[in-house]
Amino acid sequence: NAGVTQTPKFQVLKTGQSMTLQCAQDMNHNSMYWYRQDPGMGLRLIYYSASEGTTDKGEVPNGYNVSRLNKREFSLRLESAAPSQTSVYFCASAWGMADYEQYFGPGTRLTVT
Amino acid sequence: GENVEQHPSTLSVQEGDSAVIKCTYSDSASNYFPWYKQELGKRPQLIIDIRSNVGEKKDQRIAVTLNKTAKHFSLHITETQPEDSAVYFCAASIGLTGGGNKLTFGTGTQLKVEL
Repeated sequence: NAGVTQTPKFQVLKTGQSMTLQCAQDMNHNSMYWYRQDPGMGLRLIYYSASEGTTDKGEVPNGYNVSRLNKREFSLRLESAAPSQTSVYFCASAWGMADYEQYFGPGTRLTVT
Repeated sequence: GENVEQHPSTLSVQEGDSAVIKCTYSDSASNYFPWYKQELGKRPQLIIDIRSNVGEKKDQRIAVTLNKTAKHFSLHITETQPEDSAVYFCAASIGLTGGGNKLTFGTGTQLKVEL
């Protein structure tokens, strides 16, 4: 079991460029999440998908879009990157209501110049 | 929405001493309170959790207590070791009607265990 995987590990973008962060899990989890982590601010929820076919906004969705491609994959897209989106991005997955633990991917370190 | 406050932001203890990290939450509907440990450059990993029907839970050197009335919960680490040095995040969860749960995280505590 690979658990939760993310690509790429590192990325540098220029302001205005677009990119997609990929996330996949092989634990048959129903729920998937995207967080960003900034110094001193903890982990903030960008978007989540409670189950395949649904997506919802979290605390900080502006500037991002998501796609739940199938049960395994949940991607995060930056349409026009801004320096304020420089951060470490974590994907996570979890079972439904019966089990609350969230399993995190290794993270993507994104720098926007 | 849910707000979670975490204190202190940094904590330095001597090896063998105890460490306590405290969190408060705002939404009385919160029903699940996990603690995550994040080592430098690594992903957060769950170390212990507690549900709202329990007041205390222990796992070897770590324990969590929950006071629902006061809406606060704490992480206790006894006999600290250098490998306990990391950032610790508390979180509070609200179940979603569509399935899954949404976690709101505290801002983290950098714990340093000194030899």
